[in-house]
Parts: sequence; C-alpha cells; structure tokens
Amino acid sequence: DGGITQSPKYLFRKEGQNVTLSCEQNLNHDAMYWYRQDPGQGLRLIYYSQIVNDFQKGDIAEGYSVSREKKESFPLTVTSAQKNPTAFYLCASSRGTSGGALIDTQYFGPGTRLTVL
Amino acid sequence: SQQGEEDPQALSIQEGENATMNCSYKTSINNLQWYRQNSGRGLVHLILIRSNEREKHSGRLRVTLDTSKKSSSLLITASRAADTASYFCATAPGGQNFVFGPGTRLSVLP
Repeated sequence: DGGITQSPKYLFRKEGQNVTLSCEQNLNHDAMYWYRQDPGQGLRLIYYSQIVNDFQKGDIAEGYSVSREKKESFPLTVTSAQKNPTAFYLCASSRGTSGGALIDTQYFGPGTRLTVL
Repeated sequence: SQQGEEDPQALSIQEGENATMNCSYKTSINNLQWYRQNSGRGLVHLILIRSNEREKHSGRLRVTLDTSKKSSSLLITASRAADTASYFCATAPGGQNFVFGPGTRLSVLP
C-alpha cells in the first residue's frame, strides 16, 4: 500500500519542549516538504528537500529543524524557539525536479495537529 | 501578497448547482495545480494544467488557464455534498517549491 504517512495524528507539547513529527513515504519520491497550516489559512512552506542529505529553508523555517538521512524519511523537529507552534503540520512528497523545474504533483500525508499546552 | 490567490474565499451552493472558483498568480509558471482538502485532512491533488494548455477536464472538474491574465478557474459541475471542502491552487514560480493560495471554502448544501 503506497503512500505517505505522518505520525502522530495529534501531539501535545509543553512550552519549552522540542517535539519531532514523523513523515515517511514509500513512493520512491526524491523531494519531500513540510508545511504549516493555521486555521482557515493556506499552506506555508517550512522546509523542503530535493535529495537525501540536502534540504532548504522555506518561508517560515525559524524555530524548526529537519533532517534527510534516508530517501523515505523527512522528520520535522519543532524546537522551543518556535514561539507559536500550535498548528496543523502537513508533509508532502513529489518525484522532484527535471532541469531545475518542478515536474510533478505533490502527495500529502494526513497531517499532525500539534497543540502547545 | 501571495503568488496564488483564490477567489472567492468562501462559496455556498445547493447540491446540483455548479461551483466556480478562481485563482490569480503573479509570475510566469510551467503549470498550475488544484488541490482539495477535506476538513482536518491532507490535500488531495485534483488536476494539473500546463502553461501551454487552455482547458482541461477530469470527470466533473473543468479547469481553464489564461496565461495572459495570469489566472485559472476551477469549475465543479453538478455539485454534491461530498464536494464540500477547501480548494487550493498551487504554482511553482521559482521552479523549486510550490506556493499555495489561501483557498476557497466550498459548502454544498443538500
């Protein structure tokens, strides 16, 4: 059963704690992405990775960190430096780029809802 | 302002009616995509239209693209209650990552 999974579905964090959100895909996609979505809003890009061991900051990277040690995994850590982390986090993957241009659609996971207590 | 912006922000129609939502963007694109998001879920890809295409169909969906006006429209015909969702357009202006608009929230009333 191919797809992209995120865990946990719901996550609660105390202030000052770091938490890590998991994202795994078995689609053999090169590119992976993390987005943040606030209520009634669109998606904002946090980080993206087009290849293993490489990633780039998106529009709102401050207070977040990522790693891409394996092609199928792209975990996101929400650090204590992120002042307002309560949001819905979406992970996505795509086949990647060709000649520098994105060539394909994105496949999304079901999301993780993070709440800071 | 954003690369992609959907209009209207919210739309409420009766079941069986058609729903039209629009997307405007600012820079040149290779393609434009539409996604649907049910409440509390991830996004699902609906349709991709390339910059050299003017119209594309997929089932009850019809997408148009006008590159001279930098705009696209998504038409859902004979809407159903199950079409109730938020709809987003996405472009890749720099060719490196996607940019999503704020979305149109569609409510289809039975």
